[in-house]
Amino acid sequence: NAGVTQTPKFQVLKTGQSMTLQCAQDMNHNSMYWYRQDPGMGLRLIYYSASEGTTDKGEVPNGYNVSRLNKREFSLRLESAAPSQTSVYFCASGTGVGTEAFFGQGTRLTVV
Amino acid sequence: AQSVSQHNHHVILSEAASLELGCNYSYGGTVNLFWYVQYPGQHLQLLLKYFSGDPLVKGIKGFEAEFIKSKFSFNLRKPSVQWSDTAEYFCAALPRGSSNTGKLIFGQGTTLQVKP
Repeated sequence: NAGVTQTPKFQVLKTGQSMTLQCAQDMNHNSMYWYRQDPGMGLRLIYYSASEGTTDKGEVPNGYNVSRLNKREFSLRLESAAPSQTSVYFCASGTGVGTEAFFGQGTRLTVV
Repeated sequence: AQSVSQHNHHVILSEAASLELGCNYSYGGTVNLFWYVQYPGQHLQLLLKYFSGDPLVKGIKGFEAEFIKSKFSFNLRKPSVQWSDTAEYFCAALPRGSSNTGKLIFGQGTTLQVKP
């Protein structure tokens, strides 16, 4: 059972470079989420998609864009990476009706 | 604003000691509550959840949590910790309502270190 799959697992970027984090889930979930995890701050929601074709901003959306390509895939794009975006990024999915979210393995991103 | 607070940021225990991690949420309505665990280098895994009914819920690996509505709390407990419980623990809340989209609100996390 794959669950939620994220790629890549590690990435180092130079300031100003762009990249896309990929996420796919095979649980037929309607909702998908992107969080970032920083020490002492828990997980903060960047963007979410309640259903295919819709996306909305979370708590910390600045500097990011997302695409809900289809029901399975939800990508996160950094157009011009900044050192403040150094973090661990988690993709998650859920039914969106009050149940738990399922998380991917995470992407550790370093911006130098 | 809705928020979740975890009182302890770093806890160090010896094996066999009892554990209690505090969690409080701020939301006036009904919430679903969760505890997740993140072992070193791994993704978040669900430990237990509370939606309704018996306020004492049991999860995996001997963990349990008690929902106390009057205190807006959902503390995590384990009678006897093991070295393998070393991990980061996150409390999360999911307010219910018409605008519910499944967005979890996480606490800051508590790092538990269990010494053998």
